[in-house]
Amino acid sequence: GESVGLHLPTLSVQEGDNSIINCAYSNSASDYFIWYKQESGKGPQFIIDIRSNMDKRQGQRVTVLLNKTVKHLSLQIAATQPGDSAVYFCAELLSGGYNKLIFGAGTRLAVHP
Amino acid sequence: DGGITQSPKYLFRKEGQNVTLSCEQNLNHDAMYWYRQDPGQGLRLIYYSQIVNDFQKGDIAEGYSVSREKKESFPLTVTSAQKNPTAFYLCASSSGARASGYTFGSGTRLTVV
Repeated sequence: GESVGLHLPTLSVQEGDNSIINCAYSNSASDYFIWYKQESGKGPQFIIDIRSNMDKRQGQRVTVLLNKTVKHLSLQIAATQPGDSAVYFCAELLSGGYNKLIFGAGTRLAVHP
Repeated sequence: DGGITQSPKYLFRKEGQNVTLSCEQNLNHDAMYWYRQDPGQGLRLIYYSQIVNDFQKGDIAEGYSVSREKKESFPLTVTSAQKNPTAFYLCASSSGARASGYTFGSGTRLTVV
């Protein structure tokens, strides 16, 4: 398969534990902040987004936290499963003109049984 | 089912050759994008198009060209001027201003031999 994260930082967790993946962003003008999941050889898959005027948003088993003071974004995955193993990217969306996505470098999540 | 189709999945190019990567969508999205992904890095924007017969350079457009003759199609040509073309190429399309409206293809792996 495609190696999209040969030198990425890796977070290793046990199946059933909660995972927290962190991201620092740079642009204060971003309208949305997004988390994507990318499996080997595939395109990024949208997980969850949060608007810039919010600080927390929950989905199914996932929660995104936004701290605009320190420009920090995190993704919490509850009860991590082997199928969650992938590379996770945060991205900023700049609306207006065109919808420009700016991606971070990514974190590899490895879930061990 | 609606989606984005990229072809081929794997592509090999000799040095000095131009190659064209295909991207087709049936989502009726106006905007389409091309990203490049290198190991250990996030996605970087090559070109984008908001409407038929119009396209704009992204952050790393040198050595690439595109066309947008039909709403459904946004082919990317990697020219011989691109000095380091080996990478994973992702096409995306979007509607609206939210990241949840972004859809990615499954990618094309280009290797120079």
